[in-house]
Amino acid sequence: DTGVSQDPRHKITKRGQNVTFRCDPISEHNRLYWYRQTLGQGPEFLTYFQNEAQLEKSRLLSDRFSAERPKGSFSTLEIQRTEQGDSAMYLCASSLGTSGTSTDTQYFGPGTRLTVL
Amino acid sequence: GQSLEQPSEVTAVEGAIVQINCTYQTSGFYGLSWYQQHDGGAPTFLSYNALDGLEETGRFSSFLSRSDSYGYLLLQELQMKDSASYFCAVRVSNAGKSTFGDGTTLTVKP
Repeated sequence: DTGVSQDPRHKITKRGQNVTFRCDPISEHNRLYWYRQTLGQGPEFLTYFQNEAQLEKSRLLSDRFSAERPKGSFSTLEIQRTEQGDSAMYLCASSLGTSGTSTDTQYFGPGTRLTVL
Repeated sequence: GQSLEQPSEVTAVEGAIVQINCTYQTSGFYGLSWYQQHDGGAPTFLSYNALDGLEETGRFSSFLSRSDSYGYLLLQELQMKDSASYFCAVRVSNAGKSTFGDGTTLTVKP
């Protein structure tokens, strides 16, 4: 257990429905990242936050995806009008937020596995 | 674009040494990380190299050559519990954003 929690752990939904996932990072961590991982591939960057500011969003992310971190603590990732191609593991990670070449280790949560039928 | 290449699968026996290579081509480079992921689990951090050379942490060591855009993870005294996927990841921005490889599945046999 890294201290990063995600809810729910599993979500099955029908195509066209909206889903929302929650991530609670390690409390003193300033940065929060969302990744998507499909079978046989590495985590793919979606977006990240420095405190409450969303600093970057992947160009691969369509307008159906939105993320928030309203008070700089927990974050939510919403997918609207889900498609079968959205089926994946959605991982959240957090880090202290050190700059430059220092480690700034990312601690991952257990993920939310989304299945779109 | 960003690309990281690592072998898809490696097999070794208990007690042996295995090396997992990673070559990268990225638009920015701040450091190379390695993560371990067991089936159904989350990636867990193993090591990080920002400068050239070897970093040792117990049975695991990681090496970086920035001029060759190359690194490797060395696992010694392999144990069955080391069977997992191993990902290299390049920190591509000052803000910590990382790009991951597709992972190497390590199978340790008795």
